[in-house]
Amino acid sequence: AQSVTQLGSHVSVSEGALVLLRCNYSSSVPPYLFWYVQYPNQGLQLLLKYTSAATLVKGINGFEAEFKKSETSFHLTKPSAHMSDAAEYFCAVTPRGGTSYGKLTFGQGTILTVHP
Amino acid sequence: NAGVMQNPRHLVRRRGQEARLRCSPMKGHSHVYWYRQLPEEGLKFMVYLQKENIIDESGMPKERFSAEFPKEGPSILRIQQVVRGDSAAYFCASSYRPHYQETQYFGPGTRLLVL
Repeated sequence: AQSVTQLGSHVSVSEGALVLLRCNYSSSVPPYLFWYVQYPNQGLQLLLKYTSAATLVKGINGFEAEFKKSETSFHLTKPSAHMSDAAEYFCAVTPRGGTSYGKLTFGQGTILTVHP
Repeated sequence: NAGVMQNPRHLVRRRGQEARLRCSPMKGHSHVYWYRQLPEEGLKFMVYLQKENIIDESGMPKERFSAEFPKEGPSILRIQQVVRGDSAAYFCASSYRPHYQETQYFGPGTRLLVL
């Protein structure tokens, strides 16, 4: 069975600082990986996804993530944090093929706080 | 192009009552997923439906919970005889295809509070 671990339930950065949110997966075969963002009282919005093309994936709002098979990681980064980035971020996986029908397994989430 | 719609956005029920949560997928999408977000937890898959068919309900509690996606109308998640532990945010997502590369688009959620 696959699983996702997000290291750090809370991350706090200053405005303009680097954002690094960590995600590690556990799967016998590299899965497809996604990062979603959730603003308070809203649904989830897709930031980016890895589907085995380029290992460095660029998403919306200046975010990007790099798939590293050797480290089973898919960390999310943004060079310069903005106040509007404050939200909860979820890493998710779905296995390749099989009968998963694309259902997602989510990590526990990381709440990002951005200080002025 | 309207996104995924869910209603109601907030629902309050007393223990023992029934809760009905509705989800209208994006236009052109015929695949619906339901997820539950319990307090202090991530989202957990509940059920995957296509029109008139339940394909995967491996995440649904065995009792009191049911889901449907009729030929016409929204998908419905029904919780009978609610208990306090059912208090959570319930999210619906839809996709064009049931494929692992396909993006799932999420609705705003229904926040259920059981008193």
